[in-house]
Amino acid sequence: GQNIDQPTEMTATEGAIVQINCTYQTSGFNGLFWYQQHAGEAPTFLSYNVLDGLEEKGRFSSFLSRSKGYSYLLLKELQMKDSASYLCAVPSGSARQLTFGSGTQLTVLP
Amino acid sequence: GAVVSQHPSRVICKSGTSVKIECRSLDFQATTMFWYRQFPKKSLMLMATSNEGSKATYEQGVEKDKFLINHASLTLSTLTVTSAHPEDSSFYICSARDRTSGSSEQYFGPGTRLTVT
Repeated sequence: GQNIDQPTEMTATEGAIVQINCTYQTSGFNGLFWYQQHAGEAPTFLSYNVLDGLEEKGRFSSFLSRSKGYSYLLLKELQMKDSASYLCAVPSGSARQLTFGSGTQLTVLP
Repeated sequence: GAVVSQHPSRVICKSGTSVKIECRSLDFQATTMFWYRQFPKKSLMLMATSNEGSKATYEQGVEKDKFLINHASLTLSTLTVTSAHPEDSSFYICSARDRTSGSSEQYFGPGTRLTVT
């Protein structure tokens, strides 16, 4: 089965940098996704990592270490609109269905 | 591209009635769609995997006779909540994977808020 852990809540200040960690245990690895979800809305895709290393995409970067079963999402120059839940997810099974972590609720303060 | 729609976005129904939620991939074909349920401030819980032209695969603990899934075409999957009860009130989200894509990426619909009174 799959087991995914991420912190429940984080708080940061506007303009700062925040790192949201995710550890996973999975039988077979087919990459790791990060999604952003605002309350009452569907998740939106942020990143997909399948190889080790850091991938940068504007203010958001995602890092993966397959040997450690570890990923993080790095958000720079935080804005108020970044307040949301951030979900890491891993695909598994023949249909590559996603198993989500519990989500990290990020609150950005002025 | 890669847009998934859901209808309705919100629905209120009385206990004992059935509600149908539609999930459509608008600009791509999806042999596989997924249905999730989400409680307030909780993560997405996979309910079932919907396969075009065949029976859905339900996750452990999800009653297949209560949550009927039909995937009759490459662009449409429906979830019917039968004999709804207040505890079925939740946010239901579908997603779809492009059949031509080799990746695991799923495109999510905007969700349906179900309230059972």
